[in-house]
Amino acid sequence: GQQLNQSPQSMFIQEGEDVSMNCTSSSIFNTWLWYKQEPGEGPVLLIALYKAGELTSNGRLTAQFGITRKDSFLNISASIPSDVGIYFCAGQLGYSGGGADGLTFGKGTHLIIQP
Amino acid sequence: KAGVTQTPRYLIKTRGQQVTLSCSPISGHRSVSWYQQTPGQGLQFLFEYFSETQRNKGNFPGRFSGRQFSNSRSEMNVSTLELGDSALYLCASRGQPYTEAFFGQGTRLTVV
Repeated sequence: GQQLNQSPQSMFIQEGEDVSMNCTSSSIFNTWLWYKQEPGEGPVLLIALYKAGELTSNGRLTAQFGITRKDSFLNISASIPSDVGIYFCAGQLGYSGGGADGLTFGKGTHLIIQP
Repeated sequence: KAGVTQTPRYLIKTRGQQVTLSCSPISGHRSVSWYQQTPGQGLQFLFEYFSETQRNKGNFPGRFSGRQFSNSRSEMNVSTLELGDSALYLCASRGQPYTEAFFGQGTRLTVV
């Protein structure tokens, strides 16, 4: 099946630093989504990307849909303590069996901000 | 607009029992998907329902099943529970296929 390689696995940064993480796939996806999950909660959608080459921002977050459709990256600028959490990328191929297929998730990037 | 609601939040069951989890999607959303999250395997797709029909299924045994009602609420059932079924079960709702999926807080299932 499809697999997403998400890196880095974890990041230890200082408050105020910029953060960059990415996901690569051996297969193409038609949709890329980025989520953040905090302990005891479900993933919260950050950014959705629908077109190859698309660059989208949401406040201090910027994500891009790779031109090959096999990768995506997420940048966080000027990190703050509330950015702590696990960030997941997710890809969706498209339709199958009459409905949208499920999301394929990366293993997550654990962001830790040191005071 | 209320978000995705999953009940119960926590559940402890014994091996061999069965369990039913519930999910109410965002009002107006007709697509409900279920995911299993474990430390070892991460987030894995179980199945998706749209307009009361299962449209897609992940690679899980037949012990995992679900259904969707006419009001779009969905239930997931796991029969003959195994220790390895301990996980956070997440439900996601979408207005239309291809659109963003919004997750609930999940049901933490512990099998002892």
